[in-house]
Formats: sequence, structure tokens, C-alpha cells
Amino acid sequence: DAGVTQSPTHLIKTRGQQVTLRCSPISGHKSVSWYQQVLGQGPQFIFQYYEKEERGRGNFPDRFSARQFPNYSSELNVNALLLGDSALYLCASSVGTGASNEQFFGPGTRLTVL
Amino acid sequence: GNSVTQMEGPVTLSEEAFLTINCTYTATGYPSLFWYVQYPGEGLQLLLKATKADDKGSNKGFEATYRKETTSFHLEKGSVQVSDSAVYFCALSPNYGGSQGNLIFGKGTKLSVKP
Repeated sequence: DAGVTQSPTHLIKTRGQQVTLRCSPISGHKSVSWYQQVLGQGPQFIFQYYEKEERGRGNFPDRFSARQFPNYSSELNVNALLLGDSALYLCASSVGTGASNEQFFGPGTRLTVL
Repeated sequence: GNSVTQMEGPVTLSEEAFLTINCTYTATGYPSLFWYVQYPGEGLQLLLKATKADDKGSNKGFEATYRKETTSFHLEKGSVQVSDSAVYFCALSPNYGGSQGNLIFGKGTKLSVKP
């Protein structure tokens, strides 16, 4: 079975631009979460979606937004990019949203903001 | 609020040495606890988990026990191998409220095992 897939793998943008990252969950998984991992740190939670509805939001500015589609895939959008947005963006999928649900991570999208 | 603190790295061990990576947490109620591993050039993988007090998670020779009284979930392995070299992340998932199901990670501990 295919795991979580993310695209693109790498991305280079300049300050002020906008970026869209994409994620396809494991088949049968209805929940998608997004995390930001800055080099040398643990991932930080950005959003969780379940059945196309936002179920949780981390401490990120409104420049960050996301959505989930009827096929459970998801997009993360970041507007007005800052240098500090440079990071590895991870998508994770799970069957549900409960605390004990295992989240399966994709390989990530490496975003560099110049 | 919810948080995870794990021992700073890097940790360097010889093959067959005993490994302990300390992890403590702050949370209300009974969160689920996880250890994730990130091998060089690969994505995050779940190593083990425990969902209630006194549960022991185990996988690939690694073990961790959910200790409510000390709010800890220390990772142990009796004999490490070179192939265990990776970054290890302790994480919790709250079991109530708006944060339910969201993973909160520690900063990670880099382990290097020398032959």
C-alpha cells in the first residue's frame, strides 16, 4: 500500500511570495495533520483536518491556511512568506482523531525562503 | 499547557551498549505517549506507543513505560546497533479538548552508535 505522499519535494521561494503544499493520505485515512519542522527541532503542529473540517489549529499566524478535499487529500497554503518559514513541512494521516491514533508521516516538503 | 522535555543530545554510544533517552511530559489527564524515530534521509516513523498509565510500548528491542507518577516515558534498549543511529522524538497526544489528537513533540535526541 502507498504511504503518505507529499508534493513537491523541494521548493524555493522569495520573501512575500505564496506557496501551496500538497498531501495525499493513506487510503482509508480520513484525518490529515500538518507540522512544521525547523532544522534541529521537533515538529510543531499547524493544523488537523477530519472529514473536510478543521479540528485543530496550532499557534501559527493567519498567513497559514489549509483545506481538505472530498478525497481526503489536503493543501497547506502559506502567504506573504518570511525567511523564518524555511522548514520541512510534514503531513501525517490517521484513521481518526483520537489521542491513541497512530499518525503516519510523509517524507515532507523542504521549503526554502530567500 | 502541554509540553514534552527530552534529554539533549547528541548521544554517542558503542555498539552493544545500553541506551536510555529520558523523556518527561506536562499534560492534563492521561495523554497518549509516543516515540518516533527519524533515520538519516528518511521520514518520521512510529517506534512505539503507550496509551494509559503503566502500559509498556515495545518494538525492535526498544521499550518505554508510561509512568504517570513521574510523568515520564523513557526510551531504553539493552544493546544498540549501528543501524539504530537516528534522531529520536518523544511526543504526546492530549486526550481531551481542542488539542485532542494533535502531536506535541520534544526537540529530539540524536543518537550515534559506533562499531
